[in-house]
Formats: sequence, C-alpha cells, structure tokens
Amino acid sequence: NAGVTQTPKFRVLKTGQSMTLLCAQDMNHEYMYWYRQDPGMGLRLIHYSVGEGTTAKGEVPDGYNVSRLKKQNFLLGLESAAPSQTSVYFCASRPSGQLIEQYFGPGTRLTVT
Amino acid sequence: QKEVEQDPGPLSVPEGAIVSLNCTYSNSAFQYFMWYRQYSRKGPELLMYTYSSGNKEDGRFTAQVDKSSKYISLFIRDSQPSDSATYLCAMSAWLPDTGRRALTFGSGTRLQVQP
Repeated sequence: NAGVTQTPKFRVLKTGQSMTLLCAQDMNHEYMYWYRQDPGMGLRLIHYSVGEGTTAKGEVPDGYNVSRLKKQNFLLGLESAAPSQTSVYFCASRPSGQLIEQYFGPGTRLTVT
Repeated sequence: QKEVEQDPGPLSVPEGAIVSLNCTYSNSAFQYFMWYRQYSRKGPELLMYTYSSGNKEDGRFTAQVDKSSKYISLFIRDSQPSDSATYLCAMSAWLPDTGRRALTFGSGTRLQVQP
C-alpha cells in the first residue's frame, strides 16, 4: 500500500495563477483532510470531507476550494494564488471507525511569488 | 492567545539523555491528547495518544496529561539520534455546532539528539 500520496511535491506559482493539488489514498478511508503548515502556526485545517461527494470548511478555508468526486481522491484548488498562500500543504485521511489517528501524506511545498 | 502553546525549540541533547517536551492549552473541552512526530520534509505520524488525564507508556516514550493544569508532556528515555525530529502535540474536542471532532495542533518542538 502506498498510503497517502500527494502531487506535486513542489510548485512555484506567480500571484494570480491557479493550480490544483491532488491527494490520493489507497486505504479506503472515509475521512480526508487538507491542512497547511506555516512556521510558528502549527497545522491548520483548510477543508475536510467525510465521504465521497461531501466537503466542509475548516479553520482557514478562504481562497481555497475542494472536491471529492471519488472516495480515494481529494483535490485542493487555488483559483487565484496569493503570496499569503505560500506554505506546506498536507493531506490526511482516516477511517470512520477510528477517532484519533490521521494518516498524513508527504506534503506539497508551494511558493507564491 | 493560541489554544495550544508549544515551545518551538530547537532542543539539543546528547544521546542517552531524557527529553521532556511540553504543551499547554486553554480549552477545557479537549479530551484526547496526541503526540505526532514529524521528520524533516515528511508528513506527521502519530506517536501516541491518551484520553483525559493520566500517563501512558510505550517503550521509551511516556505521555502525561494533567487536565487540572492544562499541561501535557512527552518524555523520551535513552534518546537516540533517530529521535531527532519535530514533535507536535495535538488535542481533540467535540464541536456540537458542527457535529465534528476538531483537532488543534501545537506549532511543534524541534529536537536534535547529538551522537
């Protein structure tokens, strides 16, 4: 099993450009999450999904959109990138019967200039 | 004020030392307390968790929660160079308004164990 994978690993965008980050998991997990990690701020939840076809906002959703068309994939979109969105983005998943452990991907490092 | 406070370090110790990592928090609704380990350029992975107050031991690692003081600790005995990583505390509370369990992370403490 590959676990949770993220594509791409690195990206540099110019202000105003758009992009989509892809998260894929092969563990048949219901719940999926997108976080951003910034120095001194910890991991902050952007959006999450409790199952295929569902999405919900987290703590810091502004400027991002998500979609969960297939159970194994969770996409994070930036429509018009801003320098404030420079961060490391992590995807995570967990099964519905397990409250605690989330399984994280390796991260995507995004720089917006 | 952040809900969860964690000293960023870095904390540098010699191999074999006992390491103490700590977090304080302000939300009394937190019920589950977790420690994640994050190696450089990797995603976090769950190390251990406790429910409510008390201690939990797993090999060289001991997690301690004191809800009366709103303080949690992770102790590492006989520290090894392979323990060098960033340690994130995390806490979970049920949010009845949204019907979900929220997870709040500390900002992480970077630990370096010198051979």
